[in-house]
Order: sequence, then C-alpha cells, then structure tokens
Amino acid sequence: ETGVTQTPRHLVMGMTNKKSLKCEQHLGHNAMYWYKQSAKKPLELMFVYSLEERVENNSVPSRFSPECPNSSHLFLHLHTLQPEDSALYLCASSQDLRIFNTGELFFGEGSRLTVL
Amino acid sequence: GQQLNQSPQSMFIQEGEDVSMNCTSSSIFNTWLWYKQDPGEGPVLLIALYKAGELTSNGRLTAQFGITRKDSFLNISASIPSDVGIYFCAGSTSGTYKYIFGTGTRLKVLA
Repeated sequence: ETGVTQTPRHLVMGMTNKKSLKCEQHLGHNAMYWYKQSAKKPLELMFVYSLEERVENNSVPSRFSPECPNSSHLFLHLHTLQPEDSALYLCASSQDLRIFNTGELFFGEGSRLTVL
Repeated sequence: GQQLNQSPQSMFIQEGEDVSMNCTSSSIFNTWLWYKQDPGEGPVLLIALYKAGELTSNGRLTAQFGITRKDSFLNISASIPSDVGIYFCAGSTSGTYKYIFGTGTRLKVLA
C-alpha cells in the first residue's frame, strides 16, 4: 500500500467510448502526475499538477483530458482513443514539484487500459 | 534528449546469489530513485539517493549514487524468490519532478 489508489484496475473500451480513470492520494502531497507505461519503453510523463494547477502537458493528444478537483484527487478522462493508447496508466504523487532531499515519487497500482 | 541506459536488461540467477544492476547516462543527475515493479502492479519505491557517493541500504538492497553523478547502482544480496520483478531507476537532473526513467532490469530467481 503506497498511499496512492487508482480505479479501475482494468478497463476495456471501444474507440468511440468515453471513460475516466481516477486517482486518490492519502499522503498529503501537493503534486500529482499521470504517466503512461508501454511495453519495453521507459515511463512517459503525461501531465503534472501542483496544488490543483496544471503545470505540464507533455505533448499529450487532446483525447486525454486530465482534471484535478483538489490536491488529493486526479482524473484522466478518455475519449475516442486509439488501439495504440493501450497501456498501463500510472498515477503518482510527490510532496512538491521541487525534489531536493524530498524527491520521492509514489505510484499507484495502475490502470491497465485496452482499447479495441 | 537525455537518456538512461540500464543494464542488464534481464537476469536469471539462483536463489541465494547476489545481484548487481546499474544505470548510466551522459548527463549529471542530482537525484536517483530505484523502484521494483511486479507484473500488473505499480512501481514501488525502494531507495532514494540525493548526494554523490551516497550509499543507502534497505534490507538486503543497497544502492549507490555514483561519484561522477552520471550513474547509480543497485545490489541485492542473497536473493530470494520474491525478488522476482522488474527493477528500474529514475534520475532527475534539474532538482524538479522531471524524472527520466530507465527501461528496467527483469530479474528471475530460480529456486
């Protein structure tokens, strides 16, 4: 138990569906992240939020839409996805954006997304 | 762009053996993190390193921040079957959240 909870753990959707991934952190952290993990590739940073404000959109297609209603919750809204978007989507949190001496990044268990 | 080279890509070892893996880069890092990921699960943080030359242990795991600040090493002593998984490193050059991740070392332990 890392203190970061993701739901659902598994999601299968068609290319025309709209679905959402949810992340909740119980660590009192100020920064939250979405990462994409594809087979045999390093983790790719998608979005970064600090105190509910988006600070980074790492050239992610608009079919992925993040939302951070408060510092404990993060959503990733999905619509008209492509089969190549199938991957493990990981949420993470850290105390702050600046990481000197407190740089630990804590991940959730991930949401395995399959797009048909 | 910045890259992390992690090696080996995979290892098969006998239970009880020691394991070593490393991450190297041409860039200078000021933070290193080491993670373990089990199949279908999220990465779990093992060790965090913040100073060149730092050596930190977590049970049977020991990680070192290389003196040149361009590499880091993870050692596992006396491996056991539950050590099976993918280990990967992450480094930050900027003192911010912008971590670069290695591609992982897949470890299999033969009982």
